[in-house]
Amino acid sequence: EPEVTQTPSHQVTQMGQEVILRCVPISNHLYFYWYRQILGQKVEFLVSFYNNEISEKSEIFDDQFSVERPDGSNFTLKIRSTKLEDSAMYFCASSFERSTDTQYFGPGTRLTVL
Amino acid sequence: GQNIDQPTEMTATEGAIVQINCTYQTSGFNGLFWYQQHAGEAPTFLSYNVLDGLEEKGRFSSFLSRSKGYSYLLLKELQMKDSASYLCAVRDRDYKLSFGAGTTVTVRA
Repeated sequence: EPEVTQTPSHQVTQMGQEVILRCVPISNHLYFYWYRQILGQKVEFLVSFYNNEISEKSEIFDDQFSVERPDGSNFTLKIRSTKLEDSAMYFCASSFERSTDTQYFGPGTRLTVL
Repeated sequence: GQNIDQPTEMTATEGAIVQINCTYQTSGFNGLFWYQQHAGEAPTFLSYNVLDGLEEKGRFSSFLSRSKGYSYLLLKELQMKDSASYLCAVRDRDYKLSFGAGTTVTVRA
C-alpha cells in the first residue's frame, strides 16, 4: 500500500541553525501538508501546498518557515533559524484532492532544538 | 478560531464498547475525520463523515450531526491494541484540518 515517507526520523540541531525536513508524498497525490505536534499537545496545521504554491498557512508558519517541492517527488519544510520552541514532531501529509479526500500522514520527524 | 472538544481520557475493558464524543465550532465545515495515534507515531486515518448519519467500518463506527456540531466514534469489541489516542479533526471552509487534543483510550484486560 502506498505511504508517505519522511526523513530523517530524528533531527537534533543547535538553536539558530537551519534545518530541512524531507517528505515523499504518495505518488499520485496533488495536495501536500505539514503539521507539527509539540510533545503532549495537539496536532497543529502549518501549511498546505498545491500546484507549486502555498494554498493556506497558519499563524505558526511565519517567515522562518518555507516549503518547497524541488523535484517531482520530494516536499520539504525548511526552518531558517531554529528556536527551542520549534522542538516538536513534524508530520507531512498528502491527499489526492482537497475537498473530498482523506489526508494520509507520514511517520513524522522528531526535531529537537538544543 | 476553531474549537474542538473531546474528553481527555477513557478506560474500558477488553471486549467492551467505548464511545468517544467530539463537539466542534469551526469557521465552515467540509468534513470530520477520526484518526488513531499510538504514542510516538503518526495519526492513522479511521473514518470520515461529511453528511449526517452513521458510517460503519468493521469494529469502528462514526456518527455526525452537523446541526449540533457533534460527532462520536464508537469502538466495539475492544482489543488491547486499541489502546491509543483518538483524534477528532474538522476540515474548515479553507480546507484546513484542525485537530482536537485527542482522547486517550486505555483498554484493560
